[in-house]
Amino acid sequence: GGIITQTPKFLIGQEGQKLTLKCQQNFNHDTMYWYRQDSGKGLRLIYYSITENDLQKGDLSEGYDASREKKSSFSLTVTSAQKNEMAVFLCASSIDWGGYEQYFGPGTRLTVL
Amino acid sequence: GDSVTQTEGPVTLSEGTSLTVNCSYETKQYPTLFWYVQYPGEGPQLLFKVPKANEKGSNRGFEATYNKEATSFHLQKASVQESDSAVYYCALSDSNAGAKLTFGGGTRLTVRP
Repeated sequence: GGIITQTPKFLIGQEGQKLTLKCQQNFNHDTMYWYRQDSGKGLRLIYYSITENDLQKGDLSEGYDASREKKSSFSLTVTSAQKNEMAVFLCASSIDWGGYEQYFGPGTRLTVL
Repeated sequence: GDSVTQTEGPVTLSEGTSLTVNCSYETKQYPTLFWYVQYPGEGPQLLFKVPKANEKGSNRGFEATYNKEATSFHLQKASVQESDSAVYYCALSDSNAGAKLTFGGGTRLTVRP
């Protein structure tokens, strides 16, 4: 078994601030993902990384940057926080790009004041 | 692009009654279909997946049949329990997108004792 850890659990920032969310997994999975979760809109893919040195934009990448520091960690940066970005950000991983099951962390709830 | 549409919540049921959550999808490829469940304070977790048309998936008393002709994947349970209270997500992964998932908007289920 394994686990995905997301830090912080709650993040409060000011409008215009640059904010970073972190994710660690100990599954030894190749592929990692960042999703944004808004009520009633499901999960939308922001960035994903197929392998350690790869980075791919998802459907909602504008306003975000991502970094795959090593195989086990994947961070997401909100480049300039906006009030309409109050949401839960979920990190996930899968064994590889052909491994369909994704395992999710518990999320980081972002509030922008 | 791919899309998934599911029953809008919230859905409130009494213990022991039956559940159906409708899910319809659009894709030009040959998808694998998924149901994920998310309990409060946790990330989504896989309930089951079905990679082939006309096959059924099941887990914990929930089941769904991949209906290619109707492009549907409705979730059913004959008798719900209070512990089934959660948000349910239908999702698809098409054959050209690797492990990338497209999620529906989610359906919040509350089961009253």
